[in-house]
Amino acid sequence: GDSVTQMEGPVTLSEEAFLTINCTYTATGYPSLFWYVQYPGEGLQLLLKATKADDKGSNKGFEATYRKETTSFHLEKGSVQVSDSAVYFCAQPEKDTGRRALTFGSGTRLQVQP
Amino acid sequence: NAGVTQTPKFQVLKTGQSMTLQCAQDMNHEYMSWYRQDPGMGLRLIHYSVGAGITDQGEVPNGYNVSRSTTEDFPLRLLSAAPSQTSVYFCASSHRDISNKGANVLTFGAGSRLTVL
Repeated sequence: GDSVTQMEGPVTLSEEAFLTINCTYTATGYPSLFWYVQYPGEGLQLLLKATKADDKGSNKGFEATYRKETTSFHLEKGSVQVSDSAVYFCAQPEKDTGRRALTFGSGTRLQVQP
Repeated sequence: NAGVTQTPKFQVLKTGQSMTLQCAQDMNHEYMSWYRQDPGMGLRLIHYSVGAGITDQGEVPNGYNVSRSTTEDFPLRLLSAAPSQTSVYFCASSHRDISNKGANVLTFGAGSRLTVL
């Protein structure tokens, strides 16, 4: 079935460093793609999304571009803050199951040090 | 606007005990679902519902029951808890975002951490 693959963590960065978290997908067609973020002790919340090829989703300084040619949706931020420490999940809708659910990657933990 | 509310936040059970995780949403979302989160495995769908009176199985339904008697509530029942059900459980709901070709933006609860001894 369709799947989402993320880079393993934890990713440890110093404050103001550049962040990239890789995500690739295997779905055929043009699925919508999502990044969700989970702050400590909380549920997941939508960070950004893109609905078609070459779309760029952005929010809170984070960006991700839907790359059909490389089947990727990498998450980037130019200057991370301690408050960005969280677990980040890449996701896409399940296809052909009729479940209206999302398939999530395994998550990447980001730790930002002052 | 409370969003998705889950109770309890923490629970410890002994093997064989039963319990219900509660989930309620106040956004009039038609779709509700339960996921479990385990280290290194992301989130896996347990059960879901597309509307009141309609439920169906997800990827890992064994050992869990659900019901959807109202739009607002979607409880998850463990009939006989097992150590393999130690996990963090998330309830999520969504409206149909038709601009995303049927994809859904999920709103999650804060989670329920369950330990089965």
